[in-house]
Amino acid sequence: AQSVSQHNHHVILSEAASLELGCNYSYGGTVNLFWYVQYPGQHLQLLLKYFSGDPLVKGIKGFEAEFIKSKFSFNLRKPSVQWSDTAEYFCAVNAGGYNKLIFGAGTRLAVHP
Amino acid sequence: GAGVSQSPRYKVAKRGQDVALRCDPISGHVSLFWYQQALGQGPEFLTYFQNEAQLDKSGLPSDRFFAERPEGSVSTLKIQRTQQEDSAVYLCASSSLAGGLTDTQYFGPGTRLTVL
Repeated sequence: AQSVSQHNHHVILSEAASLELGCNYSYGGTVNLFWYVQYPGQHLQLLLKYFSGDPLVKGIKGFEAEFIKSKFSFNLRKPSVQWSDTAEYFCAVNAGGYNKLIFGAGTRLAVHP
Repeated sequence: GAGVSQSPRYKVAKRGQDVALRCDPISGHVSLFWYQQALGQGPEFLTYFQNEAQLDKSGLPSDRFFAERPEGSVSTLKIQRTQQEDSAVYLCASSSLAGGLTDTQYFGPGTRLTVL
């Protein structure tokens, strides 16, 4: 069965620090990959997505992610975080079927000023 | 409206009661999904509609869960004889295409169900 693992459940950073959140998935076929973000009190929003082509994907608010097929990974990065990046981040994959998403457990990021 | 809306936002039920959760997808979106998010977990797929047809209900945890989308727009998730383990946030998402892999799902704010 497909699954998604997010390595860190809680991350605490100071403003201007660099961020990397790990995501690994298990599925041997063609996948599409997503990062969603949930800011406090808000609903899930799409941060970025990978369908095909350049494995380095740029999303909103300065986030990017790199798809490494050989490692089954899709890590999220940001060179310099801001207090407003405090949120929960979910990695997700869809793999066949009717496009249902398989989510990781999420990483809760807290950025201190 | 511009986004997916869900109602009620919060629901408290006594064990054994039936509940109905509503989702209004983005206008014109063909695909509609329901997910269940337990505390501290990521969302888990429940069921999928393409217009009014329920094409995948593999994630529904028991026969107490029932979903419908009779006119291909608004959807209702019904839970009969609620149990404490049903306590979770129920998320609805819609997308414009008919299940294509390149489609993007847009999520509503969710309904937080607490079963006492």
